[in-house]
Amino acid sequence: AQRVTQPEKLLSVFKGAPVELKCNYSYSGSPELFWYVQYSRQRLQLLLRHISRESIKGFTADLNKGETSFHLKKPFAQEEDSAMYYCALTGQYNFNKFYFGSGTKLNVKP
Amino acid sequence: GAGVSQSPRYKVAKRGQDVALRCDPISGHVSLFWYQQALGQGPEFLTYFQNEAQLDKSGLPSDRFFAERPEGSVSTLKIQRTQQEDSAVYLCASSLLARTDTQYFGPGTRLTVL
Repeated sequence: AQRVTQPEKLLSVFKGAPVELKCNYSYSGSPELFWYVQYSRQRLQLLLRHISRESIKGFTADLNKGETSFHLKKPFAQEEDSAMYYCALTGQYNFNKFYFGSGTKLNVKP
Repeated sequence: GAGVSQSPRYKVAKRGQDVALRCDPISGHVSLFWYQQALGQGPEFLTYFQNEAQLDKSGLPSDRFFAERPEGSVSTLKIQRTQQEDSAVYLCASSLLARTDTQYFGPGTRLTVL
């Protein structure tokens, strides 16, 4: 079955500390992975996708097909990174359907 | 330009009532998705349109849920005979292309069924 798992509901770190938000997936095909972010009182928006291999706002994520993971990382967290983060999955060739994880709330403390 | 808009933003319905939720995607966007987000959960896929064609409705939870996009732009999600378990935020997203692409989300409609 297709599934996205984000094991942590809440992650609290201090400003300047490294951050890793975990995402594991199950997909029987060629997956495309995304991270979406929702800041307070804003709508859900794309943060990054694995296929573009970009670094957005200092965040990176590497697709590890062996471990079926797509963890989101940032070396030095900022207070403005506090938000809800969702990992999402679709198929490279079956893109009609997206699967989202249940989300991780990141709280960056001053 | 304007992003994806949804109306109403909030809807309270009595159990058994029918509701209609509207989504205005970004102009020219081919793909349109509907999601249901329960409290504390991530968005759950409901249905997908490519222009006016509904290509995937596998996520609709029951035959009380119906979606349409007759002219390939505005879409309506209708829920008949609402139940308490339908209470959720309903999100609409659109993307420019008819393949894996960035989705632009609307603000959502929060439906509460009493």
